[in-house]
Amino acid sequence: DIQMTQSPSSLSASVGDRVTITCQASQDISNYLNWYQQKPGKAPKLLIYDASNLETGVPSRFSGSGSGTDFTFTISSLQPEDIATYYCQQYDNLPRYTFGQGTKLEIK
Amino acid sequence: QVQLVQSGAEVKKPGASVKVSCKASGYTFTSYDINWVRQATGQGLEWMGWMNPNSGNTGYAQKFQGRVTMTRNTSISTAYMELSSLRSEDTAVYYCARGPYCSGGSCYESGFDPWGQGTLVTVSS
Repeated sequence: DIQMTQSPSSLSASVGDRVTITCQASQDISNYLNWYQQKPGKAPKLLIYDASNLETGVPSRFSGSGSGTDFTFTISSLQPEDIATYYCQQYDNLPRYTFGQGTKLEIK
Repeated sequence: QVQLVQSGAEVKKPGASVKVSCKASGYTFTSYDINWVRQATGQGLEWMGWMNPNSGNTGYAQKFQGRVTMTRNTSISTAYMELSSLRSEDTAVYYCARGPYCSGGSCYESGFDPWGQGTLVTVSS
């Protein structure tokens, strides 16, 4: 089974900071990687699909990159409303989908 | 607008079963897979399985094989997830989410979107 290792597990940053989260797959998954944002008490929201494609309506400060086993999610300028937990998700192989452990983002 | 609306919270005793519904609107129900994901309090997201509403085909995560059943009623655009032999560790919020667009035997991945609002299932004696 494919394992997804997401880091860090938590992160504290200031408004305006550039924030980066990484996700590593245990084997090559091409670009079959999505990123989600989950705010407390809410369902997850799709931000990035196919590693680098911004979902419609998502602010351009969010971006994703990578292929193969190493992926990066970036917020170019952190805003207060970005406080949430972020998850990566692979969809290449068995099990059909796997989520990373999540990164809890807080304001410093 | 495209949305998924789930049934309300449930409280069950250990050993019982629970059936959660997920009603779709705003799109052609049979054109997209439905996935189920659960989240225990303070924990991460755990994918449980998928169902193709057109064919009824399903695929379950190994952890839930033998305990989970995903079905649908296309006449009312509703998907169901039934989990049996409940134990305290199954206490979680259960989400349905629209998955890949599927047509002519092929599916086109673009992430899970949208998600239902979640259903809290509490297992307690």
